[in-house]
Amino acid sequence: NAGVTQTPKFQVLKTGQSMTLQCAQDMNHNSMYWYRQDPGMGLRLIYYSASEGTTDKGEVPNGYNVSRLNKREFSLRLESAAPSQTSVYFCASSEAPADRYTFGSGTRLTVV
Amino acid sequence: DQQVKQNSPSLSVQEGRISILNCDYTNSMFDYFLWYKKYPAEGPTFLISISSIKDKNEDGRFTVFLNKSAKHLSLHIVPSQPGDSAVYFCAARGPGTYKYIFGTGTRLKVLA
Repeated sequence: NAGVTQTPKFQVLKTGQSMTLQCAQDMNHNSMYWYRQDPGMGLRLIYYSASEGTTDKGEVPNGYNVSRLNKREFSLRLESAAPSQTSVYFCASSEAPADRYTFGSGTRLTVV
Repeated sequence: DQQVKQNSPSLSVQEGRISILNCDYTNSMFDYFLWYKKYPAEGPTFLISISSIKDKNEDGRFTVFLNKSAKHLSLHIVPSQPGDSAVYFCAARGPGTYKYIFGTGTRLKVLA
């Protein structure tokens, strides 16, 4: 029972580089989310996908893009990484948009 | 402006005693609340929820209390165990919205 799988677990980028964070869930959930966690800030929503084929901005979408590739997969792309994007990124999924989430184990990203 | 606040960054409790974690919110339209527990290097896991139509919900050692007039909820853990040592996040959402707003977390340490 894998739940929500995120890759990679750790990444160091140089300012200006791009990368894609991958997320896949095997629970047949409809909704998926990307959050970032920063010290003293809690978890903040970057983007979400209420259902396959739809995506919407959350609280802090600037500098990010997302793709809901299919029902299982929801990727987060940083086109030109900045030090302010150093954070721990969590992907989550839920059966319906307002249900409790199942989180992945996170990706720790450092931008130097 | 932080709509969901956990004003105590950390809390230490003796094993066997009660742990009380607090959460305040500013938006009176919030109607559903969740608590998550997070261990280091893992994603948050769902603990317990409460709807605004209730003022209490219990699940084993965990009880959540909601005081709507004070816009305050609390999580009680009785008795506390060393395995409860983790960061606890409260989260809230309003009607018709997919987005949960998370607090900044409280780090609980249960001392053996």
